[in-house]
Order: sequence, then structure tokens, then C-alpha cells
Amino acid sequence: EVQLVESGGGLVQPGGSLRLSCAASGFTFSSFWMSWVRQAPGKGLEWVASIKQDGSDKYYVDSLMGRFTISRDNAKDSLYLQMNSLRAEDTAVYYCARDPGQKTPTVNTLGCFDPWGQGTLVTVSS
Amino acid sequence: EIVLTQSPATLSLSPGERATLSCRASQSVSSSLAWYQQKPGQAPRLLIYDASNRATGIPARFSGSGSGTDFTLTISSLEPQDFAVYYCQQRSNWPPITFGQGTRLEI
Repeated sequence: EVQLVESGGGLVQPGGSLRLSCAASGFTFSSFWMSWVRQAPGKGLEWVASIKQDGSDKYYVDSLMGRFTISRDNAKDSLYLQMNSLRAEDTAVYYCARDPGQKTPTVNTLGCFDPWGQGTLVTVSS
Repeated sequence: EIVLTQSPATLSLSPGERATLSCRASQSVSSSLAWYQQKPGQAPRLLIYDASNRATGIPARFSGSGSGTDFTLTISSLEPQDFAVYYCQQRSNWPPITFGQGTRLEI
């Protein structure tokens, strides 16, 4: 069974840092792009970042302004999100998700999310 | 950035009825559109990808259509477990990947 389990969320003060982890199992982690998507309380979904299978390509939503870094460790089947200079507006449930698509010279089906983890709540407050 | 606008914001229907949810893109996304279902306290679940393809394990009562800027998610006969929030999402020429604001389907 494909499973994604996030951890590392919690309460942090404005300006602080937090590192989220996502443990993957049930599939060959190193074969898939992976992403983070967040959801502020009572709000919609916002794509945060995506990373290529080998970590050589990374993409972020512009609004983060370089505060977050996505990374992965294929030896540990794990995805990470380092969050710095946290603000109140970063308060959200953070989901990791697998991208089932692929990118070849002729086909690009990247940019979907399936499945998702259960999420981890990050609260930024003093 | 491609903006997705979903309508209606809330849809009130009864079990057995047909649901039609709309998603309009601010510019063409070709067929690069997906639909997700989210129930309270749960993670989203992929229903439809590439506008009209059902994801693995998704019942046949869910169908997607459209291309370009106008898309529709149809639930042919609502089951009690279908009442949830539905999001569309585009992956055309990303980044960024963007989502619609959601449609709440309620009894």
C-alpha cells in the first residue's frame, strides 16, 4: 500500500524555523517527483514546492520568496521541507504528495498529486 | 499565473441527484486539469486527471469533461459519501500549479 506520513509540524514563533518530513512507503520513492501542498485553516489548497526524482530540479510558489527549501533523501525514502522566517500566514496543514506523472522529451504529465499524506499542522504564532 | 474560478461556491443537492460542478481557467490549460475531493479532516483525493480520466479506484459515477478554459465535473447520481469539497487544479506550463477555490457540495 502506498503511504505518505508527514511529521514535524507544531507551534513556532514568527521568524522561527521548522523542518517537515514525509516518510514514503509502498512504492519506489526515487522514481517519482514529490511535492508539498498546504491548506490554511478553513481555506483552499496552495501548491508550495516540487522536486525531481534525483533532487536536481526544484520549483517553488513565488510568494515564498526563498524562505522554504524542498529536499529529499532517496536512501531514506523521505521528503523534507525546511521552512525559515516563518510568518503567521504560513499557518496551515502541510501535505506531501506524490506526482504520478512523468517527463520525457515528448511527454510531460507532471503536476498532479496522488496520493497525499494525512498532513501536519504548522501554527505560527507568538 | 493561471487563475481557476469554480462555480457555484456551494451546491445543495440530495442523494440520487446529478451534480454539475464548473471550473473556468483564466487562459487555456489544454486538457491539463485535475479534480480532487476533500472530506472534512481528510487529505484531498485525486478523482480526475487530464480533464476526463478517472484515477484508480474512482467510481464510474464521477466524470470530467472540457478543454481549453471550461471544465465540468459531473457526479451522475449522488451517494451520501460524495458530499464534500471539490477542487480543480491546473498543471499547464507550470510552475506555478494552481487550484480553484473549491465548491462545497452539501445535502
